[in-house]
Amino acid sequence: DIQMTQSPSTLSASVGDRVTITCRASQSISSWLAWYQQKPGKAPKLLIYKASSLESGVPSRFSGSGSGTEFTLTISSLQPDDFATYYCQQYNSLWTFGQGTKVEIK
Amino acid sequence: EVQLVESGGGLVQPGGSLRLSCAASGFTFSSYDMHWVRQATGKGLEWVSAIGTAGDTYYPGSVKGRFTISRENAKNSLYLQMNSLRAGDTAVYYCARGPLYSGYDRWGKGTTVTVSS
Repeated sequence: DIQMTQSPSTLSASVGDRVTITCRASQSISSWLAWYQQKPGKAPKLLIYKASSLESGVPSRFSGSGSGTEFTLTISSLQPDDFATYYCQQYNSLWTFGQGTKVEIK
Repeated sequence: EVQLVESGGGLVQPGGSLRLSCAASGFTFSSYDMHWVRQATGKGLEWVSAIGTAGDTYYPGSVKGRFTISRENAKNSLYLQMNSLRAGDTAVYYCARGPLYSGYDRWGKGTTVTVSS
């Protein structure tokens, strides 16, 4: 089974900050990686698929990069609406989520 | 508008069974892979099962042999039959649309399953 490890688990940041979240796969997953945002009590929302493709309607301040085993989600300028938990997910071999990264207000 | 609406959650005793349903609308249901994902309170997301357009099914080890995913394209419906339920199966269960080569682009609001005596 492919394991996904996100870091950090929690991130404290301020509005306007550049934020980077890392996701590592236990083996190569090529570019078969998605990123989701989840707010309390709500279903997750797809942000990025195929490692770097922006889902329709998602603000351009969100970007993804990486391939193989190392991936990053970057928020170029954190907005009040971005405080949430973020998950990566591999879909190269079955499907596995990372444990999540909570972005909280500093 | 694409909609996914889960139902069938509730309280069940350990060892019991439950059948979840997901009603899909606003898209050609038969053309999409579909998934179930769960989330225990305060925990992360866990993929539970998937079914392809051809009816091929997939499960993680944690539910294999206990859960069965199925679909009824004529009714635009997805199902999850859950047997031999355990306390660890307690979670919100989401239905999600999973296009090939993409992530889950549409999610339902979830249905809550509680396994307790």
